[in-house]
Amino acid sequence: GIQVEQSPPDLILQEGANSTLRCNFSDSVNNLQWFHQNPWGQLINLFYIPSGTKQNGRLSATTVATERYSLLYISSSQTTDSGVYFCAVLTGTASKLTFGTGTRLQVTL
Amino acid sequence: NAGVTQTPKFRVLKTGQSMTLLCAQDMNHEYMYWYRQDPGMGLRLIHYSVGEGTTAKGEVPDGYNVSRLKKQNFLLGLESAAPSQTSVYFCASSYWGSPLHFGNGTRLTVT
Repeated sequence: GIQVEQSPPDLILQEGANSTLRCNFSDSVNNLQWFHQNPWGQLINLFYIPSGTKQNGRLSATTVATERYSLLYISSSQTTDSGVYFCAVLTGTASKLTFGTGTRLQVTL
Repeated sequence: NAGVTQTPKFRVLKTGQSMTLLCAQDMNHEYMYWYRQDPGMGLRLIHYSVGEGTTAKGEVPDGYNVSRLKKQNFLLGLESAAPSQTSVYFCASSYWGSPLHFGNGTRLTVT
């Protein structure tokens, strides 16, 4: 099956700093999504981005499908950005997303 | 609009007991999924459904059964719970090619 790798596994930032999270995948994909799991365990969909670039406030994402990677940018980080960020991909005619192991982000004051 | 609702939120079982987790969605989604999340790990797919009356195995289906008798509900059953099934269980739903929506999870402990 497809392999999904995320880097870095852990990241500590001071409030106000910017960061880039990376998701590499081993095969072509039809669908790529980014999720944020907050410290209370809730999973929130951030982006549905099989290709191209999208922005939502301080967050933006870019997927380069031909090179098999996606990037999540967080600008001017806030403590509420803390948690785990997952990317997930869907390949071919499959109906199920495969998740990466996540990047754990801690934003400190 | 409640989205995806999971019940119960917490449960403690003894080894060998059975239980059913209920997932309900009010978005008329065709696709529904059950994932488990273990400490420090990502999400692994247990079973999924692409429509009412259909189910399919995911990555880690052993020890679990599912049913999708109604489009809005997806049930996950544990027939004989084992300590290895201690985990947080998430239900999710979507249309084909649309963002996935998750419930808030069920924390299950098997002693």
